[in-house]
Amino acid sequence: EPEVTQTPSHQVTQMGQEVILRCVPISNHLYFYWYRQILGQKVEFLVSFYNNEISEKSEIFDDQFSVERPDGSNFTLKIRSTKLEDSAMYFCASSAGTGPGNTIYFGEGSWLTVV
Amino acid sequence: GQNIDQPTEMTATEGAIVQINCTYQTSGFNGLFWYQQHAGEAPTFLSYNVLDGLEEKGRFSSFLSRSKGYSYLLLKELQMKDSASYLCAVRPLGGGATNKLIFGTGTLLAVQP
Repeated sequence: EPEVTQTPSHQVTQMGQEVILRCVPISNHLYFYWYRQILGQKVEFLVSFYNNEISEKSEIFDDQFSVERPDGSNFTLKIRSTKLEDSAMYFCASSAGTGPGNTIYFGEGSWLTVV
Repeated sequence: GQNIDQPTEMTATEGAIVQINCTYQTSGFNGLFWYQQHAGEAPTFLSYNVLDGLEEKGRFSSFLSRSKGYSYLLLKELQMKDSASYLCAVRPLGGGATNKLIFGTGTLLAVQP
């Protein structure tokens, strides 16, 4: 079964450093997303991406965050200068479309620890 | 505003049936999803409702009443491996190419022998 893959599975970084989280969405999907989940809290929407541009973003997705699709298969989330509160599990997700019945499939997550 | 409520925890017995409720208030409605999440893992899709009524998929069923802003997930013939968090998520109605999901805090289900 096709799946969303993410790397790294776990990254520890120092406060102020830049981090890039990588994702390979399901191959025939057109819509890509990043969500995050702080330990013990709910899954939160960060950003959606379609046709090489951001289609929607949440208040969490400030100027420190950016997304990119550098080639035909990868989708990345960059955090420019990490803060302690960025420590969370980051989930990449993808879907074929946005109409009824279009399920969002999640990757296994990248656990980011900022120290 | 957007608000999704689920019970925090539930306990049930192996082989039994459990119903996990979810109520929501969102700005427009374009579908409700249920996901299963084991600790430290990704949410896994279980079911989807956009029209009122019951959707059945094997041991799992999900019900929706849009007029009441209410859904439930029904798990039958519970197994130990069903111990997980169950996340209710609503897709609000919005313009543009988006498929944003608003998640509840999840219901942690413990299945006991």
